[in-house]
Amino acid sequence: DAGVIQSPRHEVTEMGQEVTLRCKPISGHDYLFWYRQTMMRGLELLIYFNNNVPIDDSGMPEDRFSAKMPNASFSTLKIQPSEPRDSAVYFCASSLGQGAGETQYFGPGTRLLVL
Amino acid sequence: GQNIDQPTEMTATEGAIVQINCTYQTSGFNGLFWYQQHAGEAPTFLSYNVLDGLEEKGRFSSFLSRSKGYSYLLLKELQMKDSASYLCAVRRGDYKLSFGAGTTVTVRA
Repeated sequence: DAGVIQSPRHEVTEMGQEVTLRCKPISGHDYLFWYRQTMMRGLELLIYFNNNVPIDDSGMPEDRFSAKMPNASFSTLKIQPSEPRDSAVYFCASSLGQGAGETQYFGPGTRLLVL
Repeated sequence: GQNIDQPTEMTATEGAIVQINCTYQTSGFNGLFWYQQHAGEAPTFLSYNVLDGLEEKGRFSSFLSRSKGYSYLLLKELQMKDSASYLCAVRRGDYKLSFGAGTTVTVRA
């Protein structure tokens, strides 16, 4: 299996621009998670989906952030408009289920820099 | 919310043993995970504990005491490639993972 796939791997944009991050989970995984990692705040959960349905978006920082999962093999995280404080590494992760011990597998991340 | 505390940094010599402690406070505990993250890479799963006791996986072992809100990750026979950040993560009943800030382990020759 190819693992979790994310694109782009790196993104540099200017403040005010729209940014779209993409994720393809591992085939057959029912759960998809979006995380953000910064030096100051560590690894934070933004939102997660179960069977394409958003379950908990309490970690989404503000209305500028939105996430969708139109089908089982694709999800997007959008920032509009972007701000310099959004600069971070954004990880997508997926898991087979939520039974005991079901681990989350992380993608390689998208390194976002907003100037 | 929950507090997850782990040391910021640890240094050890190749071939030695290092123990990384993690303490947590949470409601609805549903498991504790350890992840390894090399610089510039994604976190990768190392171990999982939900019951008290020790889980051993090769050179890595993880221990959990739920009553004390305490876990540790034990790395034995350290190798240079073990230099990385080690993240303690707690899962609650709602299945969300909350991560500690991570412990950066540096292995010296």
